[in-house]
Formats: sequence, C-alpha cells, structure tokens
Amino acid sequence: GAVVSQHPSRVICKSGTSVKIECRSLDFQATTMFWYRQFPKQSLMLMATSNEGSKATYEQGVEKDKFLINHASLTLSTLTVTSAHPEDSSFYICSAREGGLGSSYGYTFGSGTRLTVV
Amino acid sequence: TQLLEQSPQFLSIQEGENLTVYCNSSSVFSSLQWYRQEPGEGPVLLVTVVTGGEVKKLKRLTFQFGDARKDSSLHITAAQPGDTGLYLCAVWYSSASKIIFGSGTRLSIRP
Repeated sequence: GAVVSQHPSRVICKSGTSVKIECRSLDFQATTMFWYRQFPKQSLMLMATSNEGSKATYEQGVEKDKFLINHASLTLSTLTVTSAHPEDSSFYICSAREGGLGSSYGYTFGSGTRLTVV
Repeated sequence: TQLLEQSPQFLSIQEGENLTVYCNSSSVFSSLQWYRQEPGEGPVLLVTVVTGGEVKKLKRLTFQFGDARKDSSLHITAAQPGDTGLYLCAVWYSSASKIIFGSGTRLSIRP
C-alpha cells in the first residue's frame, strides 16, 4: 500500500532557529499534501494544503510566513517552522494521496514529527 | 464550532467490556472514515463507510453509517488493551477540498 515517510520523527531546537520537516510519498505521486498540527490529547487541526508547483493554501489563523511550505516535486513537501518559539512545540503530521483531490479515499498519513522548542 | 462532534471525549473501561463511540454532525456527507492513532504515530485508517445505514465489521469492531449520512458509530466488542488509542472520525469537506477530523475519543482499556 501507499507509504508516506515523514522526517525527522523528533527534533529539539533552540528558540529562534528554524526547523524543516519533510514529507515524502514513497511509492506514488501526490499533487496535494496536507499538513496538520496536533496538540496533546487533541484532534488533528489542518494547517495548510500543499500544492505541487504552486503556493500552499493556509487555514485561517495559520501564519504563512511562520510556517513555510514548499511542494517542489510530486513526492516531496516540506514544512519549515521559522524562528521557532516554545509555543510552536507540537506534533506535526502530513498526509498524501495518490493523484489529486476529489475525496477522502486513500489518504495516507506520515508517522508525525514531534517538535520541541527550548 | 466543530463540524464533527465525537462522544465521549474520554473512555476508560475494563478489558472484556463493550463500548460504543459516536461521531455526529448536522451536515450530510458522501462518506466517512474512522482512524485510530497511537501516541507518537500518525492516524491509521480503519474503515470507510459510504452508504446510509451501512454496517462494516473489522474483527471486533463494528462501524455504522447513519441512514441520513450525518452520523456514525464505532462499537468494540470485548475490548482489549491493544484497542487503546485515539479514535478519530473524518470526512471529506468537498466545498473546501480538505479532510476534516472529529474532536476525537481517547480510549483506554485497563487489563
């Protein structure tokens, strides 16, 4: 089945630095990937929709200059948390589906990245 | 306001007991999915239901889609510690082209 690889699984960084998280579709091409944020004991909150070859679509309240998304190829999307602060500490998860949008069928999730900003 | 409300939020029961988790909305959906998420991992798809009134079984898990396709339930028979996790329902929000998750039910099964 479809596999989505997310890297790194855990990262600790100093306040003020930037962190890049990668999301790769290993055996399929994905024109669209989604980035979620999850706080402890809560559900997943969609941050942005990453579109291959074009700008990402951000959800209301998500700072696009803070969370930079790049989807330069059909198998890779990256999320960069710029000038990270302790309040950015969270669990970040990506998902992808072979092909484009259209339904909720067939979306596969990465294993997540635990970001801790100290 | 949450598009998908799940209840209960938390549930802790003894091994061997039965339980039901609910996912409710005021909107109608063409399909609905259930996921299970373990700590430190991404959600894993359990099932997709598409037809009003549809019932799907996955071993000890029974999933039902409401007749009006606005709600769904997940019933677990003879719960085991391995069933522990966060259960999430999700739908494709076509008007916004994105997946929306429910508020989640955190299940803990005591040995």
